[in-house]
Amino acid sequence: DQQVKQNSPSLSVQEGRISILNCDYTNSMFDYFLWYKKYPAEGPTFLISISSIKDKNEDGRFTVFLNKSAKHLSLHIVPSQPGDSAVYFCAALPGTYKYIFGTGTRLKVLA
Amino acid sequence: DTGVSQDPRHKITKRGQNVTFRCDPISEHNRLYWYRQTLGQGPEFLTYFQNEAQLEKSRLLSDRFSAERPKGSFSTLEIQRTEQGDSAMYLCASSSLSLNEQFFGPGTRLTVL
Repeated sequence: DQQVKQNSPSLSVQEGRISILNCDYTNSMFDYFLWYKKYPAEGPTFLISISSIKDKNEDGRFTVFLNKSAKHLSLHIVPSQPGDSAVYFCAALPGTYKYIFGTGTRLKVLA
Repeated sequence: DTGVSQDPRHKITKRGQNVTFRCDPISEHNRLYWYRQTLGQGPEFLTYFQNEAQLEKSRLLSDRFSAERPKGSFSTLEIQRTEQGDSAMYLCASSSLSLNEQFFGPGTRLTVL
């Protein structure tokens, strides 16, 4: 049973436009969420996180929104750049250490 | 500090052989994790160490798998009698006790023929 879902396997966006990546989860006990970016032949790299006590966290071009009632989070990248092309994973932290990852969304930013 | 390192980066083996992977975490990190990632999936948790103690093992980790972190520094993951279904990317990550963010190594890609 997939507890963290990323229903869009891929997304293409023009350079300079906004990229919106979505993630849904099933367990209301999840209290911390993270986004990771992964380039080919590399391990995932931490991007941004959010605690369940917040509904928004911003870091430069990256903003994560959390809607607890809908059990939904999204990552906004604006403006998108070609170097943002990668696979993005959302992850939930149901306790203190074990991540539960989604299946990933491959973002392609077109120049 | 150069981050989390893993060795080897690639391993090709024949079914039935044993393989061992090594992970060197960020030096001051107490926590160490192993994950497995197959094509089209996100990383799946395998096991967790706090210092030298293995505190959790996923049911994904069959009795052919064993992990150690003997001195609370580097860790090894051994797979005995490999099967084709073991083919995957094996990722190691580390973190400190005070932060939720985990730092991942580049992974070891295992191919079992």
